[in-house]
Amino acid sequence: GAGVSQSPSNKVTEKGKDVELRCDPISGHTALYWYRQSLGQGLEFLIYFQGNSAPDKSGLPSDRFSAERTGGSVSTLTIQRTQQEDSAVYLCASRIATGRVNTEAFFGQGTRLTVV
Amino acid sequence: TQLLEQSPQFLSIQEGENLTVYCNSSSVFSSLQWYRQEPGEGPVLLVTVVTGGEVKKLKRLTFQFGDARKDSSLHITAAQPGDTGLYLCAANAGNMLTFGGGTRLMVKP
Repeated sequence: GAGVSQSPSNKVTEKGKDVELRCDPISGHTALYWYRQSLGQGLEFLIYFQGNSAPDKSGLPSDRFSAERTGGSVSTLTIQRTQQEDSAVYLCASRIATGRVNTEAFFGQGTRLTVV
Repeated sequence: TQLLEQSPQFLSIQEGENLTVYCNSSSVFSSLQWYRQEPGEGPVLLVTVVTGGEVKKLKRLTFQFGDARKDSSLHITAAQPGDTGLYLCAANAGNMLTFGGGTRLMVKP
């Protein structure tokens, strides 16, 4: 497809289990972002990938969270030993980053994670 | 404290009313974007403002970037139920994209 694709769209997991969330960005977009959105709230930055540079992990809330981006394309966000407070919608966005700072970010529909 | 403060957080109005929402910061930005998010969807870009004092119009929506490039406003004229959603401002700092907490707008018929 032409847009950002995230899977799964919904995930229910038991407390303590690990989960993997996947993001397929738009082809050719070098910048990829992960955000977390709690119910009715704004977007909390988690991690940012830009080309082959080291990712900016400054938004990851704990060491239970990690992410990787393979081949500069698909990204996986992993949450280990999930807790109930991890329940949220996880959004992925990609955009062209050419040095011009005002390009549009395209978002996926998100993965709704529920930890029970 | 968030880099971008949006106000109000919630707004419920009747169809046909006008409204303004604000996005403020103590930092200067090279550009600022406004996105709208509907339930179950990701945010979608409405506009990007780049120049201090810039005003952009998108049908009934008017966006303004402050002269000092620290703040922005979104004014909606004659709001309609279809305007209901979460309005988010976002600032570009290099390639980083940071969002405000959002204004949740509900327009009642």
